[in-house]
Amino acid sequence: EVLLVESGGGLVKSGGSLRLSCAASGFAFSTYGMNWVRQAPGKGLEWVSFISTSSTYIYYAESVKGRFTISRDNAKNSLYLQMSSLRADDTAVYYCARGLTIVGAAYFDHWGQGSLVTVSS
Amino acid sequence: DLQMTQSPSTLSASVGDRVTITCRASHSISSWLAWYRQEPGKAPKLLIHKASILADGVPPRFSGSGSGTEFTLTISGLQPDDFATYYCQQYNTYSSGMFGQGSKVELK
Repeated sequence: EVLLVESGGGLVKSGGSLRLSCAASGFAFSTYGMNWVRQAPGKGLEWVSFISTSSTYIYYAESVKGRFTISRDNAKNSLYLQMSSLRADDTAVYYCARGLTIVGAAYFDHWGQGSLVTVSS
Repeated sequence: DLQMTQSPSTLSASVGDRVTITCRASHSISSWLAWYRQEPGKAPKLLIHKASILADGVPPRFSGSGSGTEFTLTISGLQPDDFATYYCQQYNTYSSGMFGQGSKVELK
């Protein structure tokens, strides 16, 4: 069974930093591109970042570019999101999602349960 | 920037009803479209990819159609679990607007 478990969320002050982790199991982690998708309270889904299997290709949404850094450790079956210069509008549940890339981007066939990040001003 | 627009934002229906949700892309995405269902407090679940292919384990009451810029998700015979929010997502390119804004199916 594919399992994605996020951790590291919490309350942080505006301008602060936080690192999210996603532990993957039940599949060959190193062979899948991985993504972070977030959802602000009561709002829709927003794709945040993608990392390819060997970290060669990395993409970010404009809203987080220069502030967030995605990374992965295939030996540990883990995905990370380092978030810095956090703002109130970064408050959201952050989901780790496995991607299936057919063309330019991926659709997401498995999702974690999410980790809540709250940025206070 | 590629944008996705769903309609309606909310629709009211009863168990057993047939409902249709529309998703429009600001420019052609061929058939690179996925649909997700999100129940309250839960993570999204993949329903359909490549516009019309059901994901593993998804019941046949769900169907998708369309190509280019206009797509539809149809649920034939709403079940209690289907009262949820549905999102379309283009996977032609990575962008902030990959997802539609969502369509909530609520109990009439």
